[in-house]
Amino acid sequence: QKEVEQDPGPLSVPEGAIVSLNCTYSNSAFQYFMWYRQYSRKGPELLMYTYSSGNKEDGRFTAQVDKSSKYISLFIRDSQPSDSATYLCAFILTGGGNKLTFGTGTQLKVEL
Amino acid sequence: DTAVSQTPKYLVTQMGNDKSIKCEQNLGHDTMYWYKQDSKKFLKIMFSYNNKELIINETVPNRFSPKSPDKAHLNLHINSLELGDSAVYFCASSLDGEQYFGPGTRLTVT
Repeated sequence: QKEVEQDPGPLSVPEGAIVSLNCTYSNSAFQYFMWYRQYSRKGPELLMYTYSSGNKEDGRFTAQVDKSSKYISLFIRDSQPSDSATYLCAFILTGGGNKLTFGTGTQLKVEL
Repeated sequence: DTAVSQTPKYLVTQMGNDKSIKCEQNLGHDTMYWYKQDSKKFLKIMFSYNNKELIINETVPNRFSPKSPDKAHLNLHINSLELGDSAVYFCASSLDGEQYFGPGTRLTVT
């Protein structure tokens, strides 16, 4: 079983739609949960960072963590064409030297 | 003001050559990293340095050697380049868990 599973997409939605991106993980030692956004030919950019189960909101973005189910989600409200990018979930182990373990990324396209 | 910068942005070279990629961060972070992103866009950590000390060394061929002259710089030297080394290499830095990435260096080995 892979440590992190993420649907690669591509996911295509109309402008204004609510987008749901998900990752499952198998390593119970993951304690920090992140979402990165990567535009084509650019470096990953940190969007959301959380360490507890529950929801964390930042503008149009909501990160949700369910540690019991080993499942994390990123919701994007009122999606815009500028949200078109690859979204990567990432995890850090406690005591792991802050080593990030990434999902494979989901490619999102928001169409006009 | 660039937070994490890398040079060069593009690097095209032949098999067997030796090349270096440089990384600098002006965020005052203690920890720096090198990641490799392959053709399928999968990002995997290679190395991590904290205050010039190596703390993460994943299973990477010993042709790859990181060097940290000070905590603001982490360079990557690659000997005897192979076709399979073609990828995008990202440098990152962090203070706590939040990692900030550079723009990447696209290495093509022909």
